[in-house]
Amino acid sequence: AAGVIQSPRHLIKEKRETATLKCYPIPRHDTVYWYQQGPGQDPQFLISFYEKMQSDKGSIPDRFSAQQFSDYHSELNMSSLELGDSALYFCASSRPQGETQYFGPGTRLLVL
Amino acid sequence: KNQVEQSPQSLIILEGKNCTLQCNYTVSPFSNLRWYKQDTGRGPVSLTIMTFSENTKSNGRYTATLDADTKQSSLHITASQLSDSASYICVVSGDDYKLSFGAGTTVTVRA
Repeated sequence: AAGVIQSPRHLIKEKRETATLKCYPIPRHDTVYWYQQGPGQDPQFLISFYEKMQSDKGSIPDRFSAQQFSDYHSELNMSSLELGDSALYFCASSRPQGETQYFGPGTRLLVL
Repeated sequence: KNQVEQSPQSLIILEGKNCTLQCNYTVSPFSNLRWYKQDTGRGPVSLTIMTFSENTKSNGRYTATLDADTKQSSLHITASQLSDSASYICVVSGDDYKLSFGAGTTVTVRA
């Protein structure tokens, strides 16, 4: 069965650079969620989108922005990267909000 | 303070043995509770999801229970296999669809 696809799987950036992470939800899933998981920490909810509209906002820094496109894929844009942004970024998708979220494999970001 | 507490933090069991993981939560109002399995460096994989009215749900060798009155859940692994070695995360959803994650229990299965 198709799963959530994230790209790239690994990314190395330097401080103050920008990064864009992409998420392709499971077909017919209209809701996308972004999570940040620091080393040894549990995932922290960043932001979610439903039908291309932001549906909820968590602990997403102002330096980050995200959007969901007409094909339901989503992109997380990260600017002015800091060392503390190094983490595993998960995307999850679901059908209507509140249903089971299926997670992608994650993008491991390393900021040097 | 984390609204989802899991115990034990880690455990080691022999292949073929059973084990039970605990999850206590304070999230309110409550919508549903999920158990996820997370292999190192990979995304969590959903094992079970239970709503307020469900007391138990099985997925193969995994059986989850839920007591919504005491706000407790357990995940029982039967006849453990080496591939069960992973982190098991309890995730509770309130009616705003936000997820509260437990810190996870690291299970190591040894031959």
